[in-house]
Amino acid sequence: DAGVIQSPRHEVTEMGQEVTLRCKPISGHNSLFWYRQTMMRGLELLIYFNNNVPIDDSGMPEDRFSAKMPNASFSTLKIQPSEPRDSAVYFCASSSRRGNTEAFFGQGTRLTVV
Amino acid sequence: AQSVTQLGSHVSVSEGALVLLRCNYSSSVPPYLFWYVQYPNQGLQLLLKYTSAATLVKGINDFEAEFKKSETSFHLTKPSAHMSDAAEYFCAVSERDDKIIFGKGTRLHILP
Repeated sequence: DAGVIQSPRHEVTEMGQEVTLRCKPISGHNSLFWYRQTMMRGLELLIYFNNNVPIDDSGMPEDRFSAKMPNASFSTLKIQPSEPRDSAVYFCASSSRRGNTEAFFGQGTRLTVV
Repeated sequence: AQSVTQLGSHVSVSEGALVLLRCNYSSSVPPYLFWYVQYPNQGLQLLLKYTSAATLVKGINDFEAEFKKSETSFHLTKPSAHMSDAAEYFCAVSERDDKIIFGKGTRLHILP
C-alpha cells in the first residue's frame, strides 16, 4: 500500500478564496482523522470519521471549515473563505480502529493564505 | 475526555547521553498510548505503542517507554542519543475506539 496520500503538498492562496484539501486513506482502514499543525497550537484534531460517518467535529474551528467523506477511499477538508490565520500544515491520518492499531499519517498539505 | 501533557517543548542532550522525554496523560478508561516522531517536512511516524500488554514497550531505533498507571505517565527513553534522533516527538492517547489526541510535542536537540 502507498500509505495515506494527501494532495496537494503545498497550496498558496489568497485570502477569501476557497481551498480544498484531499486525502486518500489506506485501503481497509475504517477511521480517518484530519489534524492541523501550527507552531502556536501544536497538532490539533479537527474532525474524525468512522466508517465514513463524522463522529466528532468539535475541533473544527469555525463554520468556514467543512469536511466530507463520501466513500471509504476519499475525504476532503474545505475552507471557505480562507483567512491568513488558516495558514498551517494539515495532516490526514487513517487507522483500523478494530483493536489497538495506530494512526498512519500522510505527508501533509502546507497551506499558506496570503 | 482524554488529554496529554508533554513536559518541555525543547530538550537538549549530548550525543551518546540518555534521552528522556516526559509524557503524562489523562483518560477515563484504560488508554492506548503512542509515541510518534516527526522529521522536518514530513508526517508523523510511529515509534512505539502501549495497548495494555507489557508495561515496558520497545520501539524502533532503541527507543522504549514505560506505562506507569499510578503516575499516569508514559515517558520515552533511549540509552544513547544519536545525531539522527534530532526531531520532534509527540505523545498521544486514545480511549480505545475513539479519537487520538496528541501532546504539543517536544523538540529533541542533539549536541555533538
